[in-house]
Amino acid sequence: KNQVEQSPQSLIILEGKNCTLQCNYTVSPFSNLRWYKQDTGRGPVSLTIMTFSENTKSNGRYTATLDADTKQSSLHITASQLSDSASYICVVRPIAGGTSYGKLTFGQGTILTVHP
Amino acid sequence: KAGVTQTPRYLIKTRGQQVTLSCSPISGHRSVSWYQQTPGQGLQFLFEYFSETQRNKGNFPGRFSGRQFSNSRSEMNVSTLELGDSALYLCASSPLSSDTQYFGPGTRLTVL
Repeated sequence: KNQVEQSPQSLIILEGKNCTLQCNYTVSPFSNLRWYKQDTGRGPVSLTIMTFSENTKSNGRYTATLDADTKQSSLHITASQLSDSASYICVVRPIAGGTSYGKLTFGQGTILTVHP
Repeated sequence: KAGVTQTPRYLIKTRGQQVTLSCSPISGHRSVSWYQQTPGQGLQFLFEYFSETQRNKGNFPGRFSGRQFSNSRSEMNVSTLELGDSALYLCASSPLSSDTQYFGPGTRLTVL
């Protein structure tokens, strides 16, 4: 069964600190892996999307890495800000049925809280 | 460009009723997906449509159905509502050029 597991479940850090969120997946083969940020009560926003052949993708203070050998991805947040407090969701798009558009598989998310 | 719009934003129904939610994607986007989000379950995938065809379907009972129109607008319908259907229903659209999804603000459905 295709799965996406995220850790930690929740994380509290101080403003200005860096942090790394983890995503382990069993989905294989896959077309792309993406990270979303979701503020409370709002729809998710795409941070990065990486194809299976990419190792890293940055979006401002957010940097995602992908290791297809170990089936792990991480999201690194640099110099955290209060506005980074949100849920971060890892999502994998499998290749299925001969297409690159298999059913998206979601992690449960990591809730990040940034304190002043 | 206007973002993804969803109507209504809030809805209160009673058990046994049915409901139809609407989603208008970003202009030019032909892929639309629907998700259910509850506090305990996170984001649960419902359907994915591309050019009026259902491309993928999640593990929800047959009471949940959807469709996409020729103008890419999409609707989802839930019949015989249950208390457990109370959730935030999110719609997302994607352009042809990439698989990046753009989410709408959601419809908050409360079933009493």
